[in-house]
Amino acid sequence: ETGVTQSPTHLIKTRGQQVTLRCSSQSGHNTVSWYQQALGQGPQFIFQYYREEENGRGNFPPRFSGLQFPNYSSELNVNALELDDSALYLCASSEGASNEKLFFGSGTQLSVL
Amino acid sequence: QQQVKQSPQSLIVQKGGISIINCAYENTAFDYFPWYQQFPGKGPALLIAIRPDVSEKKEGRFTISFNKSAKQFSLHIMDSQPGDSATYFCAASRARSGGYQKVTFGTGTKLQVIP
Repeated sequence: ETGVTQSPTHLIKTRGQQVTLRCSSQSGHNTVSWYQQALGQGPQFIFQYYREEENGRGNFPPRFSGLQFPNYSSELNVNALELDDSALYLCASSEGASNEKLFFGSGTQLSVL
Repeated sequence: QQQVKQSPQSLIVQKGGISIINCAYENTAFDYFPWYQQFPGKGPALLIAIRPDVSEKKEGRFTISFNKSAKQFSLHIMDSQPGDSATYFCAASRARSGGYQKVTFGTGTKLQVIP
């Protein structure tokens, strides 16, 4: 069984740039959620994708967007990067949109300079 | 608005001792309360979870105690080991209209178990 994999592991961008983060869900999981974890904080829900559609969103601006592909992998795109976007971005997969059991990847550490 | 409050922020326990982490929630609509364990450089991993219809759940050395009337729950780690040194997050969730799950996390407790 393959776990959740994320790429890249680390990324450095400058303010105003755009970034794309990638996630492959665990085998058999059709739902992907994205979370932002600032240093010393708990993860914050960004959005969830199910059947290639965004079906739930947290308190993040529209410059945070995503995609889910037919193989259930997903991308997180962030436009017009701000310094406060520096964080660990976590992808979690689950077996169904209503399933509470999340399986997290190791994350992408994004630094915005 | 912080919907799940966690304490303490950090905890040092001797090997073999009991580690206790406490959480309180505000939203009575939450119906699933997991605890996650996170090691440096890794994502959170589900450790144990409870639903509000039971007051206690035990899995090995890990126990959740749940007090629905007080809207509080806690994690007890018995016979704490150095390998338990990690950051622990309590969380709460409920199914939303539209069928999605949003997990609300506490701020984390950094546990250090010293030999």
